[in-house]
Amino acid sequence: GAVVSQHPSWVICKSGTSVKIECRSLDFQATTMFWYRQFPKQSLMLMATSNEGSKATYEQGVEKDKFLINHASLTLSTLTVTSAHPEDSSFYICSAITSGGPYSYNEQFFGPGTRLTVL
Amino acid sequence: KQEVTQIPAALSVPEGENLVLNCSFTDSAIYNLQWFRQDPGKGLTSLLLIQSSQREQTSGRLNASLDKSSGRSTLYIAASQPGDSATYLCAVRASGSRLTFGEGTQLTVNP
Repeated sequence: GAVVSQHPSWVICKSGTSVKIECRSLDFQATTMFWYRQFPKQSLMLMATSNEGSKATYEQGVEKDKFLINHASLTLSTLTVTSAHPEDSSFYICSAITSGGPYSYNEQFFGPGTRLTVL
Repeated sequence: KQEVTQIPAALSVPEGENLVLNCSFTDSAIYNLQWFRQDPGKGLTSLLLIQSSQREQTSGRLNASLDKSSGRSTLYIAASQPGDSATYLCAVRASGSRLTFGEGTQLTVNP
């Protein structure tokens, strides 16, 4: 299947600092990317949907000023957790949806996730 | 509002068994359905995608069926192996919208 990469795979930071997570679609162009958050033993929670070249659409309850999303190109989206606090510690997973080409239309592929720990 | 239910929540089987995981959804107006697996601490791996016009898809030992009118999908795993142990997630997409996930089935295949 299609490849979606995330970097870094894990990060530990101090409270109050900002952390940027990159998500790349390596072998296809992704007009739409998604950012999810997952707590232990729970299902994925959609945080926001980003479309290339436009502002992200955030889910209810997700602070857009805290979780900055930039989808600058068809293969790259970034999530910046600003002024991180311990309660932001979580597993963040990005995802991208195909729009044809070598893959099925509207098939969604996920990155390997980023484990964020805020001390 | 679309709701997706997966049964059972957990399943433990001996190696070599054939098994079926069930997924049901409340709104049959779906665009497609995907089955994923998630290993602990990892992202999701797409296993099979079934478009709304399709009845089933096969990949290796995996076969997924879709009955849109009754709101059901099944994932059949043949000759299970310990490496199949993971959480299996079913997700449906309505036209132009995000995926709605089930809570998953945690599968353990014992050697």
